[in-house]
Amino acid sequence: EAQVTQNPRYLITVTGKKLTVTCSQNMNHEYMSWYRQDPGLGLRQIYYSMNVEVTDKGDVPEGYKVSRKEKRNFPLILESPSPNQTSLYFCASSRGRQGGSYEQYFGPGTRLTVT
Amino acid sequence: AQSVTQPDIHITVSEGASLELRCNYSYGATPYLFWYVQSPGQGLQLLLKYFSGDTLVQGIKGFEAEFKRSQSSFNLRKPSVHWSDAAEYFCAVRSAGGSYIPTFGRGTSLIVHP
Repeated sequence: EAQVTQNPRYLITVTGKKLTVTCSQNMNHEYMSWYRQDPGLGLRQIYYSMNVEVTDKGDVPEGYKVSRKEKRNFPLILESPSPNQTSLYFCASSRGRQGGSYEQYFGPGTRLTVT
Repeated sequence: AQSVTQPDIHITVSEGASLELRCNYSYGATPYLFWYVQSPGQGLQLLLKYFSGDTLVQGIKGFEAEFKRSQSSFNLRKPSVHWSDAAEYFCAVRSAGGSYIPTFGRGTSLIVHP
């Protein structure tokens, strides 16, 4: 089954304790992205990757890191989480060929609470 | 830069009534347009997309949307809403060429009364 998986689904942590949210897709997609969703603000892009070893900042990258060492995986790293990073996080992937109409496939979300 | 506006934060309809969710975009060239639905506790799922051809596109779950270039709009419609349609709906746009980074609207929350 084609899918995007995220782990963990729920996470409660404390300020400053490094964490990683994993994202994996089995569709051989070039393009992967991380979003955060907050009430009234919709989806805001954190980072994206157009292919292996190619990443770039989205709209709200501060406090986050990503890496793309393999095509299927795109982990999101919070080196020193703060309470303002409490949010619902989504990973997404799509085929990346320019000019294609390719839609994004989303993971189920990770709800992060930083106390 | 491309942008998407969903002017309605919340929409309330009665079950069985018709529905129209508005989406306006700003983009200089031909856009690719998408509607996604997010059910409570779920990720986003594609409802339909437009990239060329017939400006009226059909999607899953009985939804349709019409691309109107003159109005820069891509409104989502359904003739008869079911209680299970209660969800958050997102419109998105990306360029037909060049960067394929999409831009999402802020979403419209649909409430369905029995």
